Amino acid sequence: GQNIDQPTEMTATEGAIVQINCTYQTSGFNGLFWYQQHAGEAPTFLSYNVLDGLEEKGRFSSFLSRSKGYSYLLLKELQMKDSASYLCAVVDSNYQLIWGAGTKLIIKP
Amino acid sequence: DGGITQSPKYLFRKEGQNVTLSCEQNLNHDAMYWYRQDPGQGLRLIYYSQIVNDFQKGDIAEGYSVSREKKESFPLTVTSAQKNPTAFYLCASSIADQRTDTQYFGPGTRLTVL
Repeated sequence: GQNIDQPTEMTATEGAIVQINCTYQTSGFNGLFWYQQHAGEAPTFLSYNVLDGLEEKGRFSSFLSRSKGYSYLLLKELQMKDSASYLCAVVDSNYQLIWGAGTKLIIKP
Repeated sequence: DGGITQSPKYLFRKEGQNVTLSCEQNLNHDAMYWYRQDPGQGLRLIYYSQIVNDFQKGDIAEGYSVSREKKESFPLTVTSAQKNPTAFYLCASSIADQRTDTQYFGPGTRLTVL
């Protein structure tokens, strides 16, 4: 079966750095998305990776290793507003979008 | 401002009643999607539409119905046949039905069956 694993919950301190991991086992691979979702709100797009390596966008970076079936989202200089759930989603070989359950990130002062 | 709107934000329904959730977009996107989000689970696709007057079942279509009479609108009806309808429902759209396209989400409707 197809599976995406993310930690259920993580806690970090304001101003610090946190890495949220996502591992996947899918039938093929055509890209990986990261979305941010504040409680009770719409998911919003953060990044899309299809090639191996690190992509940086301001305080957020996303890394992909296709051979390892692994991605991470790196958040730097954490702010209280970064408290949210982070959703990992993979496009498989049939171009179906498979969603992980999300990681709830709690930022403490 | 371009975006996706869903209404209402909160909806309460008695068992045995059908209810329709609204989704409207002014992004001029061809593709639209309905997802269900439950605690501890990933988003699950209910229905999607690539073009006006056409739609396909997703992974959990049983107990739901949709229509796509206009490009801007993709309403979802939760019927009494849906066994466990209490959930957070998200509508999304993308430029085309390429799952590698970024999907833009509405604010969601939280449905509670009493």
